[in-house]
Amino acid sequence: DGGITQSPKYLFRKEGQNVTLSCEQNLNHDAMYWYRQDPGQGLRLIYYSQIVNDFQKGDIAEGYSVSREKKESFPLTVTSAQKNPTAFYLCASTITRGWGQPQHFGDGTRLSIL
Amino acid sequence: GIQVEQSPPDLILQEGANSTLRCNFSDSVNNLQWFHQNPWGQLINLFYIPSGTKQNGRLSATTVATERYSLLYISSSQTTDSGVYFCAVEQNTGTASKLTFGTGTRLQVTL
Repeated sequence: DGGITQSPKYLFRKEGQNVTLSCEQNLNHDAMYWYRQDPGQGLRLIYYSQIVNDFQKGDIAEGYSVSREKKESFPLTVTSAQKNPTAFYLCASTITRGWGQPQHFGDGTRLSIL
Repeated sequence: GIQVEQSPPDLILQEGANSTLRCNFSDSVNNLQWFHQNPWGQLINLFYIPSGTKQNGRLSATTVATERYSLLYISSSQTTDSGVYFCAVEQNTGTASKLTFGTGTRLQVTL
C-alpha cells in the first residue's frame, strides 16, 4: 500500500548526541514536510522540501537539519544544538509542490531525552 | 503571522450526541484542512475544504472563507471519535503548501 513511513516510532537521545529520524514515502509525491508537536499543542513546521536537492526552513528550523537526496526520502537530523528536542515529530507530503495541496501524514516518531 | 483559534478546547460527549467544533482564522486563506489525531498520535485527514460544505458519513464540514471560519460537525458520536481535532490553514506563500495549525479541540466520547 502507498503511504508515508516514519521510523523509528520511539527514539531516545543522550545529551549532546545527534539523532536522525527517517521519513520515506512511496506515493511519488514531490513535496515533503517535517513538523514538531509538543504536548497539548498544534503542529509547527520545521523544514520542507519541494523538489530533490532543495529544501527550505520552516518556522522553527534552529537545531535541525535535513537532506533530500532522493524523491522518496526526507530524513530529519535533530542536532545537539536543539536544546529541547523532546517532542512528537511528524512527516507529511503533498502530490506536487506549490500551494493548494492536501497534506498527508506519517504515524510519527516520539523523541525523548535520556 | 496568521492566527488560528479553535473552540472549545475540550469537549466531553456521551455516545450518540452531536457536536460542533469551530475554527476561526485571522486572515484570508487559500485552503483549510481538518484532521483527527487519535490517541496513538496518528493524524488522519478528514476534510480538505477551502470553502463550501462537504460530508463524509457522520462528519461534515463547512468553511465560510469570507467570514474566516470553519465548522466541523460530528453526529451520533462514537467512542472511536475520541482524540484531538485540528484545523490547519494555508496561506498563499507563492511557493509551497505551508500549513498553520490551531491548538486543537480535545474530544472525549463516553459510553
